[in-house]
Amino acid sequence: GEDVEQSLFLSVREGDSSVINCTYTDSSSTYLYWYKQEPGAGLQLLTYIFSNMDMKQDQRLTVLLNKKDKHLSLRIADTQTGDSAIYFCAEDSSYKLIFGSGTRLLVRP
Amino acid sequence: GAVVSQHPSRVICKSGTSVKIECRSLDFQATTMFWYRQFPKQSLMLMATSNEGSKATYEQGVEKDKFLINHASLTLSTLTVTSAHPEDSSFYICSARGTETYNEQFFGPGTRLTVL
Repeated sequence: GEDVEQSLFLSVREGDSSVINCTYTDSSSTYLYWYKQEPGAGLQLLTYIFSNMDMKQDQRLTVLLNKKDKHLSLRIADTQTGDSAIYFCAEDSSYKLIFGSGTRLLVRP
Repeated sequence: GAVVSQHPSRVICKSGTSVKIECRSLDFQATTMFWYRQFPKQSLMLMATSNEGSKATYEQGVEKDKFLINHASLTLSTLTVTSAHPEDSSFYICSARGTETYNEQFFGPGTRLTVL
């Protein structure tokens, strides 16, 4: 079945790197996504990676994809207090997005 | 970037009444719109997918007679929660996908529904 899993919580100090991990199940997913949700708001697309890529870098964000293990990670360099939010990974499965449970990132000053 | 709006952002209604939520794509044509529901501290659950001019496709377990979806134009989809009950209280989020951005879904800011 479809199931995208993430760890629930991550706490880092300001200026450190954050790594948020995700495992997915649909090996036929064409794209994998990372979204950010701030309290009471909708989802903001941060970045996505095409399934035939291993890595994608976009400013402070680095996405790593291990297709063999169906593992996706998001690294945020120089994490700032404004990065505190919930981060969702998602896979596209049959033209629908299947979301993980979300990882709450807390950035401590 | 592509912008999706939702209206209202927050609504409180009495049990038994119906509530309509609008989702608009402001600067692109949305051939497909999606409606999600999110409970506190939980992930998004897809409720239905709607394509402009055709009937919505509902996910398993979602009552189509309770959650009426209309996608009458390429920029507007509406979700009507009929005969709302307290258990329908939730955060409802729409997203839209255009013809030129097929691999991206753009999300609205969400609507918080509270049924008393």
